[in-house]
Amino acid sequence: SQTIHQWPATLVQPVGSPLSLECTVEGTSNPNLYWYRQAAGRGLQLLFYSVGIGQISSEVPQNLSASRPQDRQFILSSKKLLLSDSGFYLCAWQDASPGAGEKLFFGSGTQLSVL
Amino acid sequence: QKEVEQNSGPLSVPEGAIASLNCTYSDRGSQSFFWYRQYSGKSPELIMSIYSNGDKEDGRFTAQLNKASQYVSLLIRDSQPSDSATYLCAVPKTSYDKVIFGPGTSLSVIP
Repeated sequence: SQTIHQWPATLVQPVGSPLSLECTVEGTSNPNLYWYRQAAGRGLQLLFYSVGIGQISSEVPQNLSASRPQDRQFILSSKKLLLSDSGFYLCAWQDASPGAGEKLFFGSGTQLSVL
Repeated sequence: QKEVEQNSGPLSVPEGAIASLNCTYSDRGSQSFFWYRQYSGKSPELIMSIYSNGDKEDGRFTAQLNKASQYVSLLIRDSQPSDSATYLCAVPKTSYDKVIFGPGTSLSVIP
C-alpha cells in the first residue's frame, strides 16, 4: 500500500532563517506531487505542483521554492522566511495512472511558526 | 469569480439531523469532484469522490453532482458529534490538472 511521509511535524523558525520541508511517498511510481499551505482558519492554497522529476509548476509568487530530485521526493524550501510564511504545510500525492481517479492523499502536515 | 466556492459557515446542526454542504466551481472542463474532511490540526481526509451527474451514496454520506449547474453537494445524514469538522470541496481544473480546494465549511454537530 502507498504511504506518504512528511516531516517535521512542528517547526519554529526565526524570520530570515532558511527552510527545508521534505515529503516522500512509498509504494507507488511516478506520482503527481503537491505542496499546499493553509493559514489558520483558511482553505488550502496550492503552492507547487509536480508531474515528474525536475518538473515544478509554481502557483503563487512568493519566497518559497520546490524541488523534486527523485521520483518520490518533494522538497519545499526558502532562503529567508517571512512572518507571512507561517502556516500548516501539506504535501499530497496523486496516482497519475489513467483511471486512477485523480484523488489526492495527504501527509500529516508541518505546522510552521515564523517568529 | 473564485475557482471553487463553498457555502459560508459555520454550519450548526443538531445531532441526528441532515447536514447539507454546497460547492460551486468555475471550470466547465472539470470532471472529478472530491469532498475532504479535516479535523482541527490534522490533514484532510478523503471521504467522497464523484465523477458522474447524479447521486453517490456511501454510508451516511451522499454526494450530488450537477455539471450543467457546476454544483456539487455533500449530505450527511444522522449527523454525529464526530462529524464536527471542516469540509473541503476539491476540484481538478481539468483531467489530471492541479487540484483546487474551496475555502471549506465548518460544521458543528450539537449533541
